[in-house]
Amino acid sequence: AQSVTQLDSHVSVSEGTPVLLRCNYSSSYSPSLFWYVQHPNKGLQLLLKYTSAATLVKGINGFEAEFKKSETSFHLTKPSAHMSDAAEYFCVVRPGAGSYQLTFGKGTKLSVIP
Amino acid sequence: ETGVTQSPTHLIKTRGQQVTLRCSSQSGHNTVSWYQQALGQGPQFIFQYYREEENGRGNFPPRFSGLQFPNYSSELNVNALELDDSALYLCASSSGVSYNSPLHFGNGTRLTVT
Repeated sequence: AQSVTQLDSHVSVSEGTPVLLRCNYSSSYSPSLFWYVQHPNKGLQLLLKYTSAATLVKGINGFEAEFKKSETSFHLTKPSAHMSDAAEYFCVVRPGAGSYQLTFGKGTKLSVIP
Repeated sequence: ETGVTQSPTHLIKTRGQQVTLRCSSQSGHNTVSWYQQALGQGPQFIFQYYREEENGRGNFPPRFSGLQFPNYSSELNVNALELDDSALYLCASSSGVSYNSPLHFGNGTRLTVT
């Protein structure tokens, strides 16, 4: 079985400062990991994915995430927050071995203060 | 490239009624999955269809059923609606069933059961 824990339900940063959204996972297999973003009243947009290649993954809009197997973590970072980054962020695990089911964390709401 | 489209965007039903939600997958995608997102929660996997066959199901009762058509569009049907079925229902499509294939989500249908 797999699970995802997003360690913060709400993160608030000032515009122009770094963003860190934390995620820990558990999986019986070598997982694929994703970060999705959801703006109000919108569907989910893929930010980035890890699929057992490079451990540092670069995504859209300046976001990146590092896969650390020893820590079972996949934290999302961005060097400088922009007002448009304010949204809900979901860490997602998809176990390997042919599984198709995504398991979502409960989400982290990111607020950006001008 | 046309993205994933869902209809209707909003729907209000009464407890005990039946509802059908519709999804058109992204061009070139043959796999469709459905997720339920309750307020303040991450999406939960309902089921997935590949080439018109259900090939995976989450922890949802049989009154949640679906179809996939030859053009890969899909329907989600919910019978005997309950108040707890109130949620955002998200459809996602992907090309193939590889666990590396990222899902592309629609904007969802907001279902309210009164």
